[in-house]
Amino acid sequence: DQQVKQNSPSLSVQEGRISILNCDYTNSMFDYFLWYKKYPAEGPTFLISISSIKDKNEDGRFTVFLNKSAKHLSLHIVPSQPGDSAVYFCAARGQGGTSYGKLTFGQGTILTVHP
Amino acid sequence: EAQVTQNPRYLITVTGKKLTVTCSQNMNHEYMSWYRQDPGLGLRQIYYSMNVEVTDKGDVPEGYKVSRKEKRNFPLILESPSPNQTSLYFCASTSLGVGGYGYTFGSGTRLTVV
Repeated sequence: DQQVKQNSPSLSVQEGRISILNCDYTNSMFDYFLWYKKYPAEGPTFLISISSIKDKNEDGRFTVFLNKSAKHLSLHIVPSQPGDSAVYFCAARGQGGTSYGKLTFGQGTILTVHP
Repeated sequence: EAQVTQNPRYLITVTGKKLTVTCSQNMNHEYMSWYRQDPGLGLRQIYYSMNVEVTDKGDVPEGYKVSRKEKRNFPLILESPSPNQTSLYFCASTSLGVGGYGYTFGSGTRLTVV
């Protein structure tokens, strides 16, 4: 039972345009949602997060939106750059019990930004 | 430099030969975890530890063991590896509490069991 889902395995975008990566979740017992970026032969690196009580968080070119009623979050990258090409994982952090602190990940989306 | 160090980076072994993947962090984090990454499945938690001597199963613990005798170290043990444990493994650590701080991940260990 996949609690966090990224339904798009890949996304291709032209340099300078907007990249939108999507993620859906089924469990409401998460206190934070996070995005990670992963290059080949490296571990995932933290990109941006959003509290479950917020609906938007912005950090430079990266903005994460949270729609709690739809159980959906998205990552917007504007403008996209070739160096953004990587695998992006969304993750949700458990907020209580045995899930406290646990990150549950989506399947990942491969983003390719063409020059 | 704050980091999570895991070794080895690459490992090829035979079925049934016990192995240990080491993990060490220098950030004084109380929470540590092991994940495996498989195509189409993302990262799945194997085991986690909330602090020294406190460990528990994640979503896919079968065939794995862990220990947490010191705060900085969290080794992953495969007592009798099988081919279905061929995967990319990541160790991660974090400090729990208020704030959406993500885990810091190691660089990964690519394990092949033949």
